[in-house]
Amino acid sequence: AQSVTQLGSHVSVSEGALVLLRCNYSSSVPPYLFWYVQYPNQGLQLLLKYTSAATLVKGINGFEAEFKKSETSFHLTKPSAHMSDAAEYFCAVIPAGSSNTGKLIFGQGTTLQVKP
Amino acid sequence: GAVVSQHPSWVICKSGTSVKIECRSLDFQATTMFWYRQFPKQSLMLMATSNEGSKATYEQGVEKDKFLINHASLTLSTLTVTSAHPEDSSFYICSARIVGANVLTFGAGSRLTVL
Repeated sequence: AQSVTQLGSHVSVSEGALVLLRCNYSSSVPPYLFWYVQYPNQGLQLLLKYTSAATLVKGINGFEAEFKKSETSFHLTKPSAHMSDAAEYFCAVIPAGSSNTGKLIFGQGTTLQVKP
Repeated sequence: GAVVSQHPSWVICKSGTSVKIECRSLDFQATTMFWYRQFPKQSLMLMATSNEGSKATYEQGVEKDKFLINHASLTLSTLTVTSAHPEDSSFYICSARIVGANVLTFGAGSRLTVL
């Protein structure tokens, strides 16, 4: 079954430092890929999505992600972390054959801690 | 923008009772809604796909008699946890798909605690 793997359940950076959250997908066909952010006791907010257009995708709050087919990766980055970026981040994929349904499969999640 | 509302956001119930959680798309119609379950510090697990006017499609391992899903209108899906037990305590999140777009809008979640 198609899936995404997030390397590192917990990432800690200093305020102002680069943020890098890793996500690898398992698929022979480039899927639809997403990054979501979740703040405590809240639902999910879409940061950005890849839908086979540009490989570098810009999202909200200064985040961006690059789709690399050769590495089957879709890592999330932000040049300079802000305290408000501390949250849980989920990489997600729409499995092949489910593009018409919107069904999402989530990675394990990465907790981002931002230190002052 | 598209907004999905979940109600209640918090619910505490006694073991053996049933609890209903509502998921509403406020400013758009959603023929398909999804229900996820999230345990503390864990990812979201898809429970079922709710289709307006038809039976829900449950993921493997999810008890359909335990988690009743009804999608009676284009703006409302409900999840009923029947005969709830402490192990059903969790954060339940719904999402709705905007027709024609591969983007899901998520509700704020409903935290269920079964005593």
